[in-house]
Amino acid sequence: DAGVIQSPRHEVTEMGQEVTLRCKPISGHDYLFWYRQTMMRGLELLIYFNNNVPIDDSGMPEDRFSAKMPNASFSTLKIQPSEPRDSAVYFCASSRDGLAGGPGTGELFFGEGSRLTVL
Amino acid sequence: AQRVTQPEKLLSVFKGAPVELKCNYSYSGSPELFWYVQYSRQRLQLLLRHISRESIKGFTADLNKGETSFHLKKPFAQEEDSAMYYCALWPYSGGYQKVTFGTGTKLQVIP
Repeated sequence: DAGVIQSPRHEVTEMGQEVTLRCKPISGHDYLFWYRQTMMRGLELLIYFNNNVPIDDSGMPEDRFSAKMPNASFSTLKIQPSEPRDSAVYFCASSRDGLAGGPGTGELFFGEGSRLTVL
Repeated sequence: AQRVTQPEKLLSVFKGAPVELKCNYSYSGSPELFWYVQYSRQRLQLLLRHISRESIKGFTADLNKGETSFHLKKPFAQEEDSAMYYCALWPYSGGYQKVTFGTGTKLQVIP
């Protein structure tokens, strides 16, 4: 498996533009997470899905942020309209069901991140 | 609610010196604790988890339930250890709960 795949790796856009970040989780993983990483706040969980259903979106900063998971192999995080304070690295991660037990459960597998710069 | 605290944003040590990255947590149940590492411009990856009781790349971490700590230690720092380190807590309680990360500590090993 190629691991969690994110695109784009880098995105530079102007304030007010729409940004869409994409993620392909590891095949067979039941959970998908979106994190934001900044120097000031470290890693913040934005939202996570279980079997394509959003479970907890309490970390989504505001209505400008939305996330979808139309199927088990694809998720998007959208920011509309984008603002300079949204500049950060956005990570997607996936995980197997912890109830399954065995090695690896509870462990998160991260993508390489999407570095967003909003001018 | 669970909480993970990493008090140091930056830790600088000389090559060959001992390293201790601090992590304290608050959680009423029995959590699983992890250390993740992020080398420059790379993805986060699991370094070790307390239930494995392994030593990875010379690093060890012991869960101290009395002090609610999970400090990461290495006796002799190497330049390649320079990275961002995150402590994480998974409140496994029979049903899935989200992982909580600390704010991270940047380890800088000075040659």
